[in-house]
Amino acid sequence: GAVVSQHPSWVICKSGTSVKIECRSLDFQATTMFWYRQFPKQSLMLMATSNEGSKATYEQGVEKDKFLINHASLTLSTLTVTSAHPEDSSFYICSARGRQGSYNEQFFGPGTRLTVL
Amino acid sequence: DAKTTQPPSMDCAEGRAANLPCNHSTISGNEYVYWYRQIHSQGPQYIIHGLKNNETNEMASLIITEDRKSSTLILPHATLRDTAVYYCIVRAPFSGNTPLVFGKGTRLSVIA
Repeated sequence: GAVVSQHPSWVICKSGTSVKIECRSLDFQATTMFWYRQFPKQSLMLMATSNEGSKATYEQGVEKDKFLINHASLTLSTLTVTSAHPEDSSFYICSARGRQGSYNEQFFGPGTRLTVL
Repeated sequence: DAKTTQPPSMDCAEGRAANLPCNHSTISGNEYVYWYRQIHSQGPQYIIHGLKNNETNEMASLIITEDRKSSTLILPHATLRDTAVYYCIVRAPFSGNTPLVFGKGTRLSVIA
């Protein structure tokens, strides 16, 4: 089955620093990747959608200059939280969709828990 | 995509069947019913999906009413590891950049 990995699984950083989260599709080519954010006891909220080689499309209210998304290859997307602040502490989940067939479904990574001190 | 309504929480005794309802009265003819679950501090996990016929796999069964306005996810023998938030999502077949949109789901607690 399709596997999506994320790294790191958790990270703690100081306020003002930048944090990069990697999302990889391990056994399929992900033409589209999605980034979600989840605050405690809330549902997943879509942050942005990216296609390989194109600029990401951000949801309303998500600052594109703060949450930098790069989807440079068909197996890797990165989310960089720039100048992180405590309110950015959240559970970040990536999701990938492949090109065709069974990989046209949407598969989820295990998530990355970010804590900003 | 059509909206769904789920109860916020449910309890189920370990070993019994867990029946999770979902209302989707505005579902369109080409929209599927998908079920995902999220165990605490993990990413969502696909469970099952269907269009109009009942479906069964190794994890669960999906019963869709004849008018397709509601469905029930059945976990036949719930275990403690099935404690999770279950999301019912209605959407057209995957295409383009349209992502899955999550509602609030049902928090299922399986009790020993």
